[in-house]
Amino acid sequence: GQSLEQPSEVTAVEGAIVQINCTYQTSGFYGLSWYQQHDGGAPTFLSYNALDGLEETGRFSSFLSRSDSYGYLLLQELQMKDSASYFCAVRDSTGGSYIPTFGRGTSLIVHP
Amino acid sequence: GAGVSQSPRYKVTKRGQDVALRCDPISGHVSLYWYRQALGQGPEFLTYFNYEAQQDKSGLPNDRFSAERPEGSISTLTIQRTEQRDSAMYRCASSLGQTNTEAFFGQGTRLTVV
Repeated sequence: GQSLEQPSEVTAVEGAIVQINCTYQTSGFYGLSWYQQHDGGAPTFLSYNALDGLEETGRFSSFLSRSDSYGYLLLQELQMKDSASYFCAVRDSTGGSYIPTFGRGTSLIVHP
Repeated sequence: GAGVSQSPRYKVTKRGQDVALRCDPISGHVSLYWYRQALGQGPEFLTYFNYEAQQDKSGLPNDRFSAERPEGSISTLTIQRTEQRDSAMYRCASSLGQTNTEAFFGQGTRLTVV
């Protein structure tokens, strides 16, 4: 099976930079995704890493180190609207299913 | 449709009743996933379809839970003889294919068993 660990809560001030870490255990790693979920809303896709390194999408970047089974989501120039839950999700290729397995989520609270 | 559509949005049922939750994925999306999400937790995998074939049902909690996708489009998750512990948000997601990186989630069905 798969397991993921991420902090339960992170707080930061508007304009700052915050990093949300994710460590995972899986037998057939295929890729790591990040999703954002606002209260009462559905998870929405942010980014995906299959290879080591940094992927940048606007204010958000995601990093992966497969050798360390570790990734992080970096949010820059924080805005109040970034207050949400952030989930890392690992895709495992074992059995050919590639099913995303989600972590428990990190609640990001942005203060003015 | 423009996005993944789930119905009903809210369902209150009495313990022991059967419920059917519907998911209409994005047109053309081959892969369809059902998840259950408790408050403050991440989505928990239930089952997965590729076209009409149920590829993996290892996440279904017990045999009261079943799912189908007979024509490779709309899917139904059925819970028989509901129990209070079944109360949760049930979410459906779809993607173009099983290796596509992005899954699109619906707004979910909030099930309350009383």
